[in-house]
Amino acid sequence: GQQLNQSPQSMFIQEGEDVSMNCTSSSIFNTWLWYKQDPGEGPVLLIALYKAGELTSNGRLTAQFGITRKDSFLNISASIPSDVGIYFCAGQEGTGKLIFGQGTTLQVKP
Amino acid sequence: NAGVTQTPKFQVLKTGQSMTLQCAQDMNHNSMYWYRQDPGMGLRLIYYSASEGTTDKGEVPNGYNVSRLNKREFSLRLESAAPSQTSVYFCASSEALSLRYGYTFGSGTRLTVV
Repeated sequence: GQQLNQSPQSMFIQEGEDVSMNCTSSSIFNTWLWYKQDPGEGPVLLIALYKAGELTSNGRLTAQFGITRKDSFLNISASIPSDVGIYFCAGQEGTGKLIFGQGTTLQVKP
Repeated sequence: NAGVTQTPKFQVLKTGQSMTLQCAQDMNHNSMYWYRQDPGMGLRLIYYSASEGTTDKGEVPNGYNVSRLNKREFSLRLESAAPSQTSVYFCASSEALSLRYGYTFGSGTRLTVV
């Protein structure tokens, strides 16, 4: 089946720093989504992207749907301690199902 | 609060035992899903139900069965649990396979098989 490669696997940064993570696929996706998972909870949707080239912001978060439709990135500016968690990218394949990346674990040092 | 409710939150099983994980959503969503989450593997789709009355296999269906009891409820059954099924299980729902608003996830069931 399709796979998403998400990188980096983990990040340990200082509070106030910017963060960047990305996902790449061998196949084209119709939709890209970015989720955050807090410890002990289910993933929560952060940003949804529906068109190639689309750039969308949600507060300090910015995500882009790659022109080739095979990649997406997420940036977090001026990180704060509550940004800690696991970030997942997800792509919607032609059948409608979501395929998830392996996740990026973010730790923020105050 | 509206959302996806999963029960139980924690469960320990012995190898060979059976159990059913329950999931209910109150958002009038048509589609429901079961995922498992393992370290370094992300979320992998076990089964999904595009609409009431239909179910289909996902990426890792072996060892599981599902039932879409009605529009609200979608259960996952382990007939004979194995240690490889130790994982965190998430149920999710969406308006349809079309993802205008993404999936809404429950808070998970942490299952350990010993």
